[in-house]
Amino acid sequence: QKEVEQNSGPLSVPEGAIASLNCTYSDRVSQSFFWYRQYSGKSPELIMSIYSNGDKEDGRFTAQLNKASQYVSLLIRDSQPSDSATYLCAVTGGYQKVTFGTGTKLQVIP
Amino acid sequence: EAGVVQSPRYKIIEKKQPVAFWCNPISGHNTLYWYLQNLGQGPELLIRYENEEAVDDSQLPKDRFSAERLKGVDSTLKIQPAELGDSAVYLCASSLPGGEQFFGPGTRLTVL
Repeated sequence: QKEVEQNSGPLSVPEGAIASLNCTYSDRVSQSFFWYRQYSGKSPELIMSIYSNGDKEDGRFTAQLNKASQYVSLLIRDSQPSDSATYLCAVTGGYQKVTFGTGTKLQVIP
Repeated sequence: EAGVVQSPRYKIIEKKQPVAFWCNPISGHNTLYWYLQNLGQGPELLIRYENEEAVDDSQLPKDRFSAERLKGVDSTLKIQPAELGDSAVYLCASSLPGGEQFFGPGTRLTVL
């Protein structure tokens, strides 16, 4: 089992729809969770961080964390073509070790 | 505020040659990371520094890779000798301890 798992996609959604990106992790002591966006040929860019169970909203983005289910998700409302990118989930576990998932490629269709 | 700086941005070398990458983190960020990213994959940690101490180098191939952060600020990652399979993007990131990471633009290495 991979430490951080994401569906590689591509996930295709029409413009204006909600995109839902999911991530599961195996380390039960994980405390910090991050979502990064990576455009092709660019480096990862931080979108959201979440540390406690529940939802955290920032503009069109909502991160959801469920530690009991070891699950973190990212919702993008009113998806735009400019949101087309790869979304990386990162988890900080024991000893402050950070592990990235392989990323989910999102395509927003105009 | 300046972001994470990396150089060079691109490097093409022949196999068995040495290569070095340099990273200057965001001012005040004590934690520095070096990652390797292959196409279609997430970043894979090579080494993490807290100030000048390498606290996690378990994934660093120590037979050919080395890194240093002598004064706890900027850092250098070296490969000697390079192999074809080392072709990848090498990313540097920095953060406050346990905090959000900010990435540099990366160095794209091609080994011929």
